[in-house]
Amino acid sequence: GEKVEQHESTLSVREGDSAVINCTYTDTASSYFPWYKQEAGKSLHFVIDIRSNVDRKQSQRLIVLLDKKAKRFSLHITATQPEDSAIYFCAASMYNQGKLIFGQGTKLSIKP
Amino acid sequence: EAAVTQSPRSKVAVTGGKVTLSCHQTNNHDYMYWYRQDTGHGLRLIHYSYVADSTEKGDIPDGYKASRPSQENFSLILELASLSQTAVYFCASSRLGGRGEQYFGPGTRLTVL
Repeated sequence: GEKVEQHESTLSVREGDSAVINCTYTDTASSYFPWYKQEAGKSLHFVIDIRSNVDRKQSQRLIVLLDKKAKRFSLHITATQPEDSAIYFCAASMYNQGKLIFGQGTKLSIKP
Repeated sequence: EAAVTQSPRSKVAVTGGKVTLSCHQTNNHDYMYWYRQDTGHGLRLIHYSYVADSTEKGDIPDGYKASRPSQENFSLILELASLSQTAVYFCASSRLGGRGEQYFGPGTRLTVL
């Protein structure tokens, strides 16, 4: 079945710099790729997603890139702020599939 | 705003005992999910459901049962709790299943002793 790998288990960047979190997936039929954020001690919430009919999507300081040939997608956070510190999860699913497959999570720390 | 609630928020259970975790959503969503979170493993899907009175196995269903008596309610049942089931459990709901946003509950911290 589908597997989603998050390459960085931890990531530390200086406030104001950009952070990049990378994920790969195994099934070429995957077509939906969301990202979720989990702040310390809290639940997860959706931040941004991308579908396979586009290769770039931006929402304010968040940019998602999708490379279907390489089966890779990435989350770019520009001009990082302290409140960006959290665990970020990538996920993937196939069209008409009822479930998401999550990566292991990347703990992002923003240094002052 | 979408709302998913879970009860209890934390529980201590004894090995071999029965544990029931409950989830309630007011989103009018068809899809509901149970995940467990362990350090280093991210989120793993235990069971899910896309219609009342029907459940589907997720990626790690062994040792767990699920029940969806209505669109709003989804329960996770551990008939014989084991030490390895100590984890944080999250419930989620979604309108579009694997093709759209999932709304997560606050989580239940389960400790099996």
